[in-house]
Amino acid sequence: AQTVTQSQPEMSVQEAETVTLSCTYDTSESDYYLFWYKQPPSRQMILVIRQEAYKQQNATENRFSVNFQKAAKSFSLKISDSQLGDAAMYFCAYRSANNNNDMRFGAGTRLTVKP
Amino acid sequence: NAGVTQTPKFRILKIGQSMTLQCTQDMNHNYMYWYRQDPGMGLKLIYYSVGAGITDKGEVPNGYNVSRSTTEDFPLRLELAAPSQTSVYFCASSYGGQGWDEKLFFGSGTQLSVL
Repeated sequence: AQTVTQSQPEMSVQEAETVTLSCTYDTSESDYYLFWYKQPPSRQMILVIRQEAYKQQNATENRFSVNFQKAAKSFSLKISDSQLGDAAMYFCAYRSANNNNDMRFGAGTRLTVKP
Repeated sequence: NAGVTQTPKFRILKIGQSMTLQCTQDMNHNYMYWYRQDPGMGLKLIYYSVGAGITDKGEVPNGYNVSRSTTEDFPLRLELAAPSQTSVYFCASSYGGQGWDEKLFFGSGTQLSVL
């Protein structure tokens, strides 16, 4: 079974600085999708960014970008110019391309942004 | 836009009681999901549905039941509540496509405590 590991329970960043959140995953499949979701205190899960495994180019969404290393099974999230509103739990998630009913989530990283 | 609506937001149950968590979506999505989120853990899939009248088990289905009589509604039933079911429950929906840009829309969660 696929597993997703986030080794950093908590991270902290100064406002306007850059922070990188780590995620590794285990799979024997070659085609899959990876996601980062943000969960603010309101508990609403919000999709931040997504990556197709067959694409070598790293996904970017404004201040959010990923470093996708397929061979290493690593999928880190970089947040540039951090803002107070970025403070939240961040979840890395994996989904097989063959089964869109089974999204696997990591345990999450709590990000604190210091003013 | 309402999106995915869950009720109630909070509930306390006594051991052995039963209850139904309500979930409704107004986006005409085919796929609906129930997840639970335990402290310090990622989301785990309980049940999912690919359309009205069709449901299937996820990773942690024991102690729960679901039904899908309409496209909009996907209630989760807890029978004989146990302390192990203390968790935050999330309902989600998606159109159901297999594409990489398939996105989950989440409700704001139900915090359930079983005492």
